[in-house]
Amino acid sequence: DAGVTQSPTHLIKTRGQQVTLRCSPKSGHDTVSWYQQALGQGPQFIFQYYEEEERQRGNFPDRFSGHQFPNYSSELNVNALLLGDSALYLCASSLARSSYNEQFFGPGTRLTVL
Amino acid sequence: AQSVSQHNHHVILSEAASLELGCNYSYGGTVNLFWYVQYPGQHLQLLLKYFSGDPLVKGIKGFEAEFIKSKFSFNLRKPSVQWSDTAEYFCAVNPASYTGRRALTFGSGTRLQVQP
Repeated sequence: DAGVTQSPTHLIKTRGQQVTLRCSPKSGHDTVSWYQQALGQGPQFIFQYYEEEERQRGNFPDRFSGHQFPNYSSELNVNALLLGDSALYLCASSLARSSYNEQFFGPGTRLTVL
Repeated sequence: AQSVSQHNHHVILSEAASLELGCNYSYGGTVNLFWYVQYPGQHLQLLLKYFSGDPLVKGIKGFEAEFIKSKFSFNLRKPSVQWSDTAEYFCAVNPASYTGRRALTFGSGTRLQVQP
């Protein structure tokens, strides 16, 4: 049973560039959430996708956008990168119809903005 | 909006010492509560969770946590730590309602260092 997978593992970009991160949820899961984890901090919620729509959004600017595909996989896009966007980006998957929201996390993508 | 406070940022213990990590949350309704662990170089893993029922929950690797509703607390405990428990520990909450709004709010984490 494959867990949550993310690609790429590491990424280096320069300010102003755009980046796309990818996530495949755990088998059987239909909901994908994205989190940003800055160094020394806890993860912060960016947004959540279910049925190919953004269902909930955290306090992140419009430069952060996403997409969910029919196979439940998801992308996170960040435009006009800033130095402060350097962080570990985590994807978590869960099952919408479950009574509880147990989220399973992937290994993350380490983004460095120079 | 909910918030989570973890008061201990860095804890250093010797092997076999007892552990208690504090977690307090702020939210006006019913919540689900979680403790996640992040071992060096590994991804976030769920240690234990509380949804309802017995406020004392047991998780993996001998960890347990107690939900005290009156104190808005969900402290993590382990009677005897091992060197392999060295990791970052995160407390997290989300609203206990089936509304589709299930974002987790995390605390800032506690770095536990266990010395052999």
